[in-house]
Amino acid sequence: GDSVTQMEGPVTLSEEAFLTINCTYTATGYPSLFWYVQYPGEGLQLLLKATKADDKGSNKGFEATYRKETTSFHLEKGSVQVSDSAVYFCALSEGSGGYQKVTFGIGTKLQVIP
Amino acid sequence: EADIYQTPRYLVIGTGKKITLECSQTMGHDKMYWYQQDPGMELHLIHYSYGVNSTEKGDLSSESTVSRIRTEHFPLTLESARPSHTSQYLCASRVGAGAGNTIYFGEGSWLTVV
Repeated sequence: GDSVTQMEGPVTLSEEAFLTINCTYTATGYPSLFWYVQYPGEGLQLLLKATKADDKGSNKGFEATYRKETTSFHLEKGSVQVSDSAVYFCALSEGSGGYQKVTFGIGTKLQVIP
Repeated sequence: EADIYQTPRYLVIGTGKKITLECSQTMGHDKMYWYQQDPGMELHLIHYSYGVNSTEKGDLSSESTVSRIRTEHFPLTLESARPSHTSQYLCASRVGAGAGNTIYFGEGSWLTVV
């Protein structure tokens, strides 16, 4: 079945450091890939997504490229801020018609210190 | 900005009490979901619905029940709460048949059973 593997946290970085959170997946078809972010005390919100191979999703300085050959969708940001401290979830969705299954990774907690 | 609302946000109840967590969305989405999020952050799908009068159990067995009498409303009920039900419950919705469509989350309901 489908699965998403992302690096365990917490990841602790200093402000302005470079961020990479790894995400790899297994799927039977051609999934869409997502990164969601969860700030403390809140629900998840979409950060970015990519729906086909080689697509790059980007938002708020974060980027991720859909790599079919390595089945990866790593999240990157060039310079993190304290306000980026949150939990980040990688997810995939596949299926067609009335049924689309969504599979989430375990979440990676990011702590950015001033 | 997602228009999906959960109430209550925080609830402490005694063992054996019946409780209903409310979820409403104003986006006209046909698909709705309930996730349970444990303290380790991982999300577990417990119920989903593809439309009015459609409900299915998710990947994680749950003693809760759901109903979908109206498109915009997807309440979750626990007939007799136990301390093992203490968790955060996240409601989500999604439109259409595309695997790339975004899932929108509510802000969550924190349930503590004492």
